[in-house]
Amino acid sequence: NAGVTQTPKFQVLKTGQSMTLQCAQDMNHNSMYWYRQDPGMGLRLIYYSASEGTTDKGEVPNGYNVSRLNKREFSLRLESAAPSQTSVYFCASNDQGVNEKLFFGSGTQLSVL
Amino acid sequence: ELKVEQNPLFLSMQEGKNYTIYCNYSTTSDRLYWYRQDPGKSLESLFVLLSNGAVKQEGRLMASLDTKARLSTLHITAAVHDLSATYFCAVDQLDSNYQLIWGAGTKLIIKP
Repeated sequence: NAGVTQTPKFQVLKTGQSMTLQCAQDMNHNSMYWYRQDPGMGLRLIYYSASEGTTDKGEVPNGYNVSRLNKREFSLRLESAAPSQTSVYFCASNDQGVNEKLFFGSGTQLSVL
Repeated sequence: ELKVEQNPLFLSMQEGKNYTIYCNYSTTSDRLYWYRQDPGKSLESLFVLLSNGAVKQEGRLMASLDTKARLSTLHITAAVHDLSATYFCAVDQLDSNYQLIWGAGTKLIIKP
């Protein structure tokens, strides 16, 4: 059971570089999410996609863009990375209204120098 | 603005003891979630509490929700080392079921 798969697991970028974090789920979930986790803080929602074809901003969307490529895949792009984006990024999915709990990917440790 | 506070943020305890972690939130909500995270790992759902008075139990963990007091508790009974982890609560914003607000987490260390 793959569940939610994120790539890459680790990434180091220089300030100003761009990259895309990939996320795919095989549970046929409608909703997908991107969170960031910083030390001593709870998770903060960056963007979410309630269903295929829709995306919405979360709590901390600045500096990020997302694409819901299809029902399975939801990518997060950093166009011009900044040191403040150093964090651990988690993708998650669920079937909102059916099974409320979130299923998380294994995370991406991103460092921006 | 919804705020979620957990306490304590750090808890070191002995095996066999009972302890409670508290999760307070600032505005009306009727859905609360508990998650567990092992060091360097992802998050795993423990409990989903969807109504006032909800109580759920799994092994040595029991969670409850009091929406009137805006308080959830996670009670650990006869702690064992395997329960060492960071525990997070998260609360739905009433106007958006998709946007959870998370507590900062309680790092729990259980010593033999």
